[in-house]
Amino acid sequence: QVDLQESGPGLVKPSETLSLTCSVSGGSIPGYYWSWVRLAAGKGLEWVGRISPNGYTNYNPSLNSRATVSVDTSKNQFYLKLVSVTAADTAVYFCAREIVECVMTNCYAKWWFDPWGQGAPVTVSS
Amino acid sequence: EIVLTQSPATLSLSPGERATLSCRASQSISSDLAWYQHKPGQAPRLLIYDASNRATGIPARFSGSGSGTDFTLIISSLETEDLAVYYCQQRSKWPRTFGQGTKVEIK
Repeated sequence: QVDLQESGPGLVKPSETLSLTCSVSGGSIPGYYWSWVRLAAGKGLEWVGRISPNGYTNYNPSLNSRATVSVDTSKNQFYLKLVSVTAADTAVYFCAREIVECVMTNCYAKWWFDPWGQGAPVTVSS
Repeated sequence: EIVLTQSPATLSLSPGERATLSCRASQSISSDLAWYQHKPGQAPRLLIYDASNRATGIPARFSGSGSGTDFTLIISSLETEDLAVYYCQQRSKWPRTFGQGTKVEIK
């Protein structure tokens, strides 16, 4: 069973960089799409960004190019960096794996997320 | 951006009752909709994908329906363990978006 665990500093100062790690156990990073999703108080879930098996990344335009998702397959971890943070970035950040469906030798990302980590709360405050 | 509007915001029901949760999309998304369950302090869990397909291991009391702009998640007989916030998510248009959630409370 694949398990995901987020980690990182719970407090970040305004204008600084938020850095989070997602550690994957019970499965390997290669071959899957990995995403970050956040939940701010009083709001719904917001998809942040993802990285594909070949390292291609996609981001939510609402983040104005501030986010970077990367991966280290040797550590079975992937990461989120969010620069120039403000109070609006205060949220619980979840990492998640995207469901992949394979037909013969072709595999397709489904944009459905399962499993997820339990989430890492991040507060942006001075 | 597609806006997903969930209703009601909160649903308070007794065990054994039927829960009906709604998700309305701001434009047609075909059947490109999923439902997730998020219990307090736990990881969110995929319940339903492609509007009506139950994910692996999901009890049969959970069912999804709808297409186009109107979608429904039904919990046929509520159990105390179903206390959670339920979110819908679309993958039809960019960027992928979620609804604001419906909180299910157990009386």
